[in-house]
Amino acid sequence: GAVVSQHPSRVICKSGTSVKIECRSLDFQATTMFWYRQFPKQSLMLMATSNEGSKATYEQGVEKDKFLINHASLTLSTLTVTSAHPEDSSFYICSVLSSGGAPDTQYFGPGTRLTVL
Amino acid sequence: QQQVKQSPQSLIVQKGGISIINCAYENTAFDYFPWYQQFPGKGPALLIAIRPDVSEKKEGRFTISFNKSAKQFSLHIMDSQPGDSATYFCAASMRYNQGGKLIFGQGTELSVKP
Repeated sequence: GAVVSQHPSRVICKSGTSVKIECRSLDFQATTMFWYRQFPKQSLMLMATSNEGSKATYEQGVEKDKFLINHASLTLSTLTVTSAHPEDSSFYICSVLSSGGAPDTQYFGPGTRLTVL
Repeated sequence: QQQVKQSPQSLIVQKGGISIINCAYENTAFDYFPWYQQFPGKGPALLIAIRPDVSEKKEGRFTISFNKSAKQFSLHIMDSQPGDSATYFCAASMRYNQGGKLIFGQGTELSVKP
């Protein structure tokens, strides 16, 4: 499967600051990436679809001005949590959509644990 | 219509036993059904996936059974091992709609006792 990295793996920040999380597709060019949020003991909740060279598509209820997504290249998408608050503390996971022999397959990154104090 | 319902929420199986996790969906437009395995603090890893044109797919100890008429699919883990203890998620997506978005089930926490 595809190799997907995320950086940082863990981040602790103060309330009101902004945090940027990077998602990289290491072994193929990804036109489409997805960002998910996962609270403890819960399922993955899709936040947005990130397409290279265009604006991200956000799911209902996700604030696009708070969760800024940039997909500037075929191997990198970033999620910036602006003015973070304790309720934004969660596990953020990105995935890349395969464009090769398994076109529907999503490969996930290792996740980023965000803690907002 | 977009939901994928997964059961049970948790499952305890003895080593060597068979673990069975079930999922059901409503939207007949779904055409791709993957299962993911997630360990604590890690991202989900693709385990096995199936399309509705086949009724069963087997990879090693993992088998997906698919019942198109009942709109149900299940994961069977044969000879379950303590190392299989993890949370399992079923999911569904539509290839030509919604850009390949995955709709996840609620997850099943599997514990395999030695």
